[in-house]
Amino acid sequence: DTGVSQDPRHKITKRGQNVTFRCDPISEHNRLYWYRQTLGQGPEFLTYFQNEAQLEKSRLLSDRFSAERPKGSFSTLEIQRTEQGDSAMYLCASSPWDRGSSYEQYFGPGTRLTVT
Amino acid sequence: DQQVKQNSPSLSVQEGRISILNCDYTNSMFDYFLWYKKYPAEGPTFLISISSIKDKNEDGRFTVFLNKSAKHLSLHIVPSQPGDSAVYFCAAYNQGGKLIFGQGTELSVKP
Repeated sequence: DTGVSQDPRHKITKRGQNVTFRCDPISEHNRLYWYRQTLGQGPEFLTYFQNEAQLEKSRLLSDRFSAERPKGSFSTLEIQRTEQGDSAMYLCASSPWDRGSSYEQYFGPGTRLTVT
Repeated sequence: DQQVKQNSPSLSVQEGRISILNCDYTNSMFDYFLWYKKYPAEGPTFLISISSIKDKNEDGRFTVFLNKSAKHLSLHIVPSQPGDSAVYFCAAYNQGGKLIFGQGTELSVKP
């Protein structure tokens, strides 16, 4: 059973450094989502792709954040010039998307980012 | 603007009893609702969902009820088991693809 995988699982970085996270979705899923979760809150939407097209970005996503899904398979999320407020769990999810499909999104284990 | 709210941060239930987790939403355009379960250091796991055209969906020990007029949904777990102890999130599907999550309710099932 190959679910959604994320790498790395943990990342500690110093303020001002750049970090990049990778997500590998379930292979037949054409939609891929990024969420961020902080302590005591539910996951918060960041952006999503259908195949390689980025369809929506949250207004909360600053210009320091960029995401790509170049071949419609894996995706990367990069944070430039990290700030302490970026410390959070970054979650990736995927879903199949066609007419009549269900709306369930399947999540990976997350990447926990700590900015010191 | 919190469009999906779970007003109880925690709930404690005795094993074998019913657990009822509640969720309220404000956006009448939401047309699909989901419940996720999350253990520490893991991603959320999909549990059960309901379309807005239904008022009930059942899967084993889990039942979700939807009251559209009250903009309220609830998750019932019967009977509750210690392994059900986790954080439960309700989420609403927003037309366009993203899920809007509540803050979560931490369920503790005591033996």
